[in-house]
Amino acid sequence: AQTVTQSQPEMSVQEAETVTLSCTYDTSENNYYLFWYKQPPSRQMILVIRQEAYKQQNATENRFSVNFQKAAKSFSLKISDSQLGDTAMYFCAPAGPTSGTYKYIFGTGTRLKVLA
Amino acid sequence: KAGVTQTPRYLIKTRGQQVTLSCSPISGHRSVSWYQQTPGQGLQFLFEYFSETQRNKGNFPGRFSGRQFSNSRSEMNVSTLELGDSALYLCASSPNEQGGKEAFFGQGTRLTVV
Repeated sequence: AQTVTQSQPEMSVQEAETVTLSCTYDTSENNYYLFWYKQPPSRQMILVIRQEAYKQQNATENRFSVNFQKAAKSFSLKISDSQLGDTAMYFCAPAGPTSGTYKYIFGTGTRLKVLA
Repeated sequence: KAGVTQTPRYLIKTRGQQVTLSCSPISGHRSVSWYQQTPGQGLQFLFEYFSETQRNKGNFPGRFSGRQFSNSRSEMNVSTLELGDSALYLCASSPNEQGGKEAFFGQGTRLTVV
C-alpha cells in the first residue's frame, strides 16, 4: 500500500522568501506520478506541480519546483519568491497505474502561511 | 469551460438518514473520483468511476456507495448517517483513461450530521 508522509504540519515564510515543503512516500510501483496540490481557504484543490517518476529532470512551474529523489522516495516542493496568495494547505500525492492512476493517496498536508 | 460542479454545497442531515451528493465533471472527462476530508483523517479516497464502472474503491464501509451515469455525472450516497460522516466531500474529474494527468477538483459538499 502507498503511504505518504509530510513531516511539517505548519510552516511560515516571509513574503518574497523561499520555502521548501517536504514529502516522502512509499510505493511498490515502478511507473507513477507525483503531484503537489494546494488547498486555499476556499477549500478548492488546485494542482501546483506534477512529476513523472520515470523522468530524472525535476519539474518546474514558474515559482514552484520540486526536488525528486526517486531512490529515497522523496518529493519536496520549493516555492520561490513567496506571495501572500500562496497561503494554503499543501498536499503531496503519488498516483500510479496499479493502485489506480486517479486514486491519489494524500499526505496529511502542510499548512503554509506567507507573512507580509 | 465550466469546472467541476458539486451540489449541494452545504447539507445538514440527522443521524440515521441517508444523503445523495452530486458531481458534474468537466465536459469530456470520463473519470470521476470522490474523496472525504476530515480534520482527523485528512483526505481519504472513496471511489473512482470511469465510463459508468467503478475502477477503484477505498476502505470505507458499504454505507458509502456511488454510481456514474452515461453523461459522466456521478452521485455518491451515504446511508444510515453517523456523526463521523460529517466531512467535506470532494469530487474530482480527469480527462482520460490512461491517467498521469491532473485531477480537477470541485469546491466540495460540506456535510454536517447532527
